[in-house]
Amino acid sequence: DQQVKQNSPSLSVQEGRISILNCDYTNSMFDYFLWYKKYPAEGPTFLISISSIKDKNEDGRFTVFLNKSAKHLSLHIVPSQPGDSAVYFCAASAGFTGGGNKLTFGTGTQLKVEL
Amino acid sequence: NAGVTQTPKFQVLKTGQSMTLQCAQDMNHEYMSWYRQDPGMGLRLIHYSVGAGITDQGEVPNGYNVSRSTTEDFPLRLLSAAPSQTSVYFCASRKQPNYGYTFGSGTRLTVV
Repeated sequence: DQQVKQNSPSLSVQEGRISILNCDYTNSMFDYFLWYKKYPAEGPTFLISISSIKDKNEDGRFTVFLNKSAKHLSLHIVPSQPGDSAVYFCAASAGFTGGGNKLTFGTGTQLKVEL
Repeated sequence: NAGVTQTPKFQVLKTGQSMTLQCAQDMNHEYMSWYRQDPGMGLRLIHYSVGAGITDQGEVPNGYNVSRSTTEDFPLRLLSAAPSQTSVYFCASRKQPNYGYTFGSGTRLTVV
């Protein structure tokens, strides 16, 4: 039972354009969401997060949008750069009352930013 | 400040052998976890700890043991290695819930 789904295994974008990575979840107890970036042979690196009390969070070129009614979140990268080429994982946790120590990850989306 | 350190980086085991994957963090984080990454399956939680002396099971705990005798260390023990445990293992820590985990660089384990 995949509670966090990233339905696009790969995405290719031109340098300078917007990259949009999508994530869907099924567990209504999830109230904190994170995006991680992973390069080959390295551990995932925390990128940006959002609490369920917000619908948008920005950090530089990265913006995460949360649509609770649709149980959907997305990561926007503007402008995309070749160094952004990596696997992006969406993750979710159920907060203080629902086992907030456990992160449930999606299967990842391989982003390739082409020159 | 080393962050999260995992050793070894690579390991080949024979079926039935046991071993311990080491994980240490120097950030005084209370929360630590072990994940495994398999192709097409993302990262799956094996065990986690909310502080010294406190551990609990994650999504895929069978075949693994953990203990947390100090805040810094969180070793993962494979009791009797099986080919299904061939994977990349990541240790992670964070200072509080609803905070980004810091991951180690991983241990690539092959069981033959």
